[in-house]
Amino acid sequence: AQSVTQLDSQVPVFEEAPVELRCNYSSSVSVYLFWYVQYPNQGLQLLLKYLSGSTLVKGINGFEAEFNKSQTSFHLRKPSVHISDTAEYFCAVSQGAQKLVFGQGTRLTINP
Amino acid sequence: GAVVSQHPSRVICKSGTSVKIECRSLDFQATTMFWYRQFPKQSLMLMATSNEGSKATYEQGVEKDKFLINHASLTLSTLTVTSAHPEDSSFYICSARPLLQLYEQYFGPGTRLTVT
Repeated sequence: AQSVTQLDSQVPVFEEAPVELRCNYSSSVSVYLFWYVQYPNQGLQLLLKYLSGSTLVKGINGFEAEFNKSQTSFHLRKPSVHISDTAEYFCAVSQGAQKLVFGQGTRLTINP
Repeated sequence: GAVVSQHPSRVICKSGTSVKIECRSLDFQATTMFWYRQFPKQSLMLMATSNEGSKATYEQGVEKDKFLINHASLTLSTLTVTSAHPEDSSFYICSARPLLQLYEQYFGPGTRLTVT
C-alpha cells in the first residue's frame, strides 16, 4: 500500500526567504506524484506533478519539486516566498490511474 | 478550463435530515469523480469513487447506505448524506477526472456541512 509522509506539519518563514516542504512516499511500484495547495475554505489547486521524464518539475506560482527515486522523496521548493503563499500544502501519490493518497499536509505561514 | 463546481458551498441541516451535495464539471466530461472528506486541520480522506453509469466504490469504513453517491451523467455527481448527525459535520470536496486524462483530478471548492 502506498503512503505519503509530510515531515513538517507547520513551516513558518519570512517573506522573500526560500522554503522547502518535505514529502516522502512509500511504494513498491512506480508512482505519480503531485503537490496541491489549499487556501482557507477552498478546494485544492494543482501546483505541479511528476509523471515521468525530468526529475525537476516546475509548477505554478514559482514552485518546483524534485523527484528523487532513491530517497523516495518529492520535496517542494520556492526560492522566494510571498505573503500570498500562506496556505496548506498537500503532497499526494497515485499508482497509475488509481486513487490519490494524500499526506497530512503542511501549513506554510509567511511572516512579513 | 477544467473547472469543477460544488453546490451548495455551505449548508446547515438538522440532525436526522438528509442533504444533497452536487459536483459538476463545467467545461469537461468526467467518467470518474471522487468524493473526499476533510476534518479541520486534517488531510483529505477519500470516501468513494464514482464512475458514470455504475455503482460507486466506497472506501473501507465508509457507510454506503449513509453516503449515497449518484453519477448519472458525465458532468454531474451527487453525494447525499442521509439521516445526518452532528458527527457528519465536515468539509466535503469532490474532484473530477477528465476523459482520456488518467492522472489528472480537478477539485471542486468544497461544501461545508454543519449538522445541528
